[in-house]
This record gives sequence, structure tokens and C-alpha cells, in this order.
Amino acid sequence: DTGVSQDPRHKITKRGQNVTFRCDPISEHNRLYWYRQTLGQGPEFLTYFQNEAQLEKSRLLSDRFSAERPKGSFSTLEIQRTEQGDSAMYLCASSLGRDPPNTEAFFGQGTRLTVV
Amino acid sequence: GNSVTQMEGPVTLSEEAFLTINCTYTATGYPSLFWYVQYPGEGLQLLLKATKADDKGSNKGFEATYRKETTSFHLEKGSVQVSDSAVYFCALSATYNTDKLIFGTGTRLQVFP
Repeated sequence: DTGVSQDPRHKITKRGQNVTFRCDPISEHNRLYWYRQTLGQGPEFLTYFQNEAQLEKSRLLSDRFSAERPKGSFSTLEIQRTEQGDSAMYLCASSLGRDPPNTEAFFGQGTRLTVV
Repeated sequence: GNSVTQMEGPVTLSEEAFLTINCTYTATGYPSLFWYVQYPGEGLQLLLKATKADDKGSNKGFEATYRKETTSFHLEKGSVQVSDSAVYFCALSATYNTDKLIFGTGTRLQVFP
């Protein structure tokens, strides 16, 4: 297994367009997370899945954002009607998620979104 | 709410110097604490962690001790190398919830020969 992979690595889009990012977690990992990182800041939690169930969403995740993990494997993050403020690095992470919690989260290299 | 505060960078050191990056946290309950590192052009990697008070995490010569009385988790290394140049993030995960991480703003370390 090569770790968490994200696609694309870079995306430039015009304001108002929709974009979709994909994350493939480590194969045996039950938990999958999306974070957003802006320049000079630490990653901020967006949402998290346990298998295919989306269990938590941050208030940062406006109605224009939607995430899915249809079969409990890969996940997609879609942003509709992009705005310049959406420009950021979008990070995906996965963890085993077995009890007890606080197992190590492995991060992908991220998708850098630029909205022009 | 839960939060992490870490010292601003950049921290600039000469090779073989001693490193300290301060990190303090605010949390309810008994969080787990982490240091992640981001090397240029790479994704975040777990450097070390501690899951309860007085635990010491260590890896690659880096150490951090979970101090509940001072709510701190400072990162230290006795002798830095040029290859340690990276951005270091302190983070916590609340035990009553998920593995969701709350990160500090990151500290850039630059080590010169």
C-alpha cells in the first residue's frame, strides 16, 4: 500500500465553477477525514467518515461543500459555486479507527485549489 | 472549546544547536497530543505522540513530554540537522470523540550548516 493518495494534486478553477476532489485512503482504514489548510495556518477539520457514514461536519463546511464515501473506501469532496475564499490546500487523512481511539492519522499530500 | 497554541516562527538555528518549539493546549477531558512534521513538498507525517499525562513521545531524536499541570507539550531536540528543516505542527485529539485533530498554526524551522 502506498499510503493515502489524493487527486488531483493541483486544481485551478474560475469562480463559480464546481470542483471535485478524490481521496483514496489506506485500504484497511475505517476512518477518513477531510481538512483544509490555508497559507500560514494549521489544518482545520472539515468532516469525517466512519466507513460510509458521515459522522461529523464542521461549521466551516458550508452548504456549497459536500462529501461522500459511498462504499466506505474512497471519498470525494465537492465544492459548488467556488469562491476565491475557497482557495486552500485540501487534505485527506485516514486512520484505523479501532478502539481505543486516537490511533495515528496518515495524511495525503493534498489537493491545492486556486480559485481565480 | 479545544485549541492549540504554538510559538510563531520561523525558528532559525545552526546545525547541532538545541531546539525547543513551545506548544500549549486547552482541552476538556484528557486529550492525546501529537507533533506532526511537514517537509517541503511532502504531506504531514506523525513525528511523535503521547496519550496520557507524563508520557514522553520520542522519534528521530525529537522528544516531547505531556505536562498536564502546565497544559504543554513542547518539542525538543538536542542537536538539529539541516534535514530537520520543515514545518512542525502541534495537535490534540479529544479522547471522548473521534481521532479528529485540532492543530496549531505551525512553526517553520530553518537549520543552516
